[in-house]
Amino acid sequence: QSVLTQPPSVSAAAGQTVTISCSGRTSNIGKNYVSWYQQLSGAAPKLIIHDTTKRPSGIPDRFSASKSGTSATLGITGLQTGDEADYYCASWDDSLSGVVFGGGTKLTVL
Amino acid sequence: EVQLVESGGGLIQPGRSLRLSCVASGFTFDDSAMHWVRQAPGKGLEWVSGISSSGSGIGYADSVKDRFTISRDNAKNSLYLQMNSLRIEDTAVYYCVKGWLFTHFEHWGQGSLVTVSS
Repeated sequence: QSVLTQPPSVSAAAGQTVTISCSGRTSNIGKNYVSWYQQLSGAAPKLIIHDTTKRPSGIPDRFSASKSGTSATLGITGLQTGDEADYYCASWDDSLSGVVFGGGTKLTVL
Repeated sequence: EVQLVESGGGLIQPGRSLRLSCVASGFTFDDSAMHWVRQAPGKGLEWVSGISSSGSGIGYADSVKDRFTISRDNAKNSLYLQMNSLRIEDTAVYYCVKGWLFTHFEHWGQGSLVTVSS
């Protein structure tokens, strides 16, 4: 059971928009930054969002993120087949004194 | 280009010890926090441990506390994970990760598979 809660799967058609939720607590998302990672099949994870809303260099602006209270959301617009991957949220947890991840969300582009 | 190359994984019996190593290049190692993150087969990501740039700040997941020890040698651009009293549930790919403090994980190695089995 992961500390952060994500839906196991989401799907949408190519060209459409999808959102992935990440629910936590005051001790993690409520007080700290959220980051998001994309893991393509068979590959290492890749940072796509840091400091809750910021994109690293090279990440297209089709990827965006937000936070409200103890929940965070990743949005992907103009879906492409290459976006099919597992997506993970993460945050520091003050109570656990460690980094916690969500269980991951598998994105399928129809 | 940032490169993180793990080594030391393999098949090990329960209760035994194993040491993972990670050699870093392409960035100023002694300015960077470093972490180990693992992924059990078919499962999600789990933060294992992290260490500050100087080595003075260290954290562990509860699942490995008192069994695993993280360390670094800034002169060798290297990160280590000493894993003792290994359990079957420690079976996973272990990633060496360059962190921005303990806030997020900027760059990931390709991972080293540790299989704990009798």
